[in-house]
Amino acid sequence: DAGVIQSPRHEVTEMGQEVTLRCKPISGHDYLFWYRQTMMRGLELLIYFNNNVPIDDSGMPEDRFSAKMPNASFSTLKIQPSEPRDSAVYFCASGFMGYEQYFGPGTRLTVT
Amino acid sequence: TQLLEQSPQFLSIQEGENLTVYCNSSSVFSSLQWYRQEPGEGPVLLVTVVTGGEVKKLKRLTFQFGDARKDSSLHITAAQPGDTGLYLCAGAWDTGNQFYFGTGTSLTVIP
Repeated sequence: DAGVIQSPRHEVTEMGQEVTLRCKPISGHDYLFWYRQTMMRGLELLIYFNNNVPIDDSGMPEDRFSAKMPNASFSTLKIQPSEPRDSAVYFCASGFMGYEQYFGPGTRLTVT
Repeated sequence: TQLLEQSPQFLSIQEGENLTVYCNSSSVFSSLQWYRQEPGEGPVLLVTVVTGGEVKKLKRLTFQFGDARKDSSLHITAAQPGDTGLYLCAGAWDTGNQFYFGTGTSLTVIP
């Protein structure tokens, strides 16, 4: 199994631009999580899905952030418009029954 | 609000030494996990503990869940450079729901 796949691995963009992060979970997993990691705040849960349905998005910082999971094998996290304070490493994780989480390699986002 | 506090925040030791890192909370968790994260990679699950007082061993790593299920410890015996990384604990209030991550302990093992 290839594990959780995230793309791109690195993204540099200018303030105000739209950013889309992508995730392919492990096949057969029914939970998908989006996290953000920074030095100041550590690893924060943004949103998670169960069977493609968003369950809890209380961690999404602002309306500028949105996430979708159109099918069991794909999810996106979109930031529009992006701001410098959004700079962080964004992780996608998937799991079965929500008990164990397998993380992807992350996307390092830099907003200038 | 940080639900899980880890200590120490940073730890640098010599190869062969023993160490213990701690994860504490005022909340009772249904389960608790420990992860290790290496630079440029995502966290990797090491262990899950669910029963108060539970002890699990993974080679040179010993994990303990507090009796009241509010705290946990990770003990490493004879640390090796390959143990270097960020150790994160994560607690869940309900089975199958989201986990809240601690602040992390950054461990460096010097050869």
